[in-house]
Amino acid sequence: KAGVTQTPRYLIKTRGQQVTLSCSPISGHRSVSWYQQTPGQGLQFLFEYFSETQRNKGNFPGRFSGRQFSNSRSEMNVSTLELGDSALYLCASSLGQDTDTQYFGPGTRLTVL
Amino acid sequence: AQSVTQPDIHITVSEGASLELRCNYSYGATPYLFWYVQSPGQGLQLLLKYFSGDTLVQGIKGFEAEFKRSQSSFNLRKPSVHWSDAAEYFCAVGPPGTYKYIFGTGTRLKVLA
Repeated sequence: KAGVTQTPRYLIKTRGQQVTLSCSPISGHRSVSWYQQTPGQGLQFLFEYFSETQRNKGNFPGRFSGRQFSNSRSEMNVSTLELGDSALYLCASSLGQDTDTQYFGPGTRLTVL
Repeated sequence: AQSVTQPDIHITVSEGASLELRCNYSYGATPYLFWYVQSPGQGLQLLLKYFSGDTLVQGIKGFEAEFKRSQSSFNLRKPSVHWSDAAEYFCAVGPPGTYKYIFGTGTRLKVLA
């Protein structure tokens, strides 16, 4: 079974631009969560989608948004990029019960110049 | 406030030596507890998880962890470290019912041949 895939793997943007990251979950998984990983703040939960609905949200500004499609693929959008948005963005998928294991993708490395 | 503390930023051990990585958490009730490993350029891989029951949890790659409620700790152990264990290890807590995990800052493990 294929793992969680994220595209693109690397991205360079400039301040003020917007960016969309994509995550394809493991086949059959209905939950997708997004995390931001930075050297200063560590790993922080952004949001989780389940069956096309946002089920949980972390403490990030409204510039960070996401959505999930009927095939469970998810996208994350960051508008008006800031230098501090430079990070590794990880997505994780699971079947959807809180006791189900989350499987992480390799991440998208976003650099904001 | 909910938090996870991994007191050791870096740990160096010799191959074949035993290993213990410390994790302390602050949480109102007993959360779900996890240990993840991240190799360079990779996403996170789940080593083990604790939800309830037996406080000694066995995981993959020969790792185990012990939940100690009185100490709010969930330390990770391995009796004999292999060179391939060199990576960064993250402890996480999760409120039952969600994937809104809180991660520690990580412990980077170096293994000497």
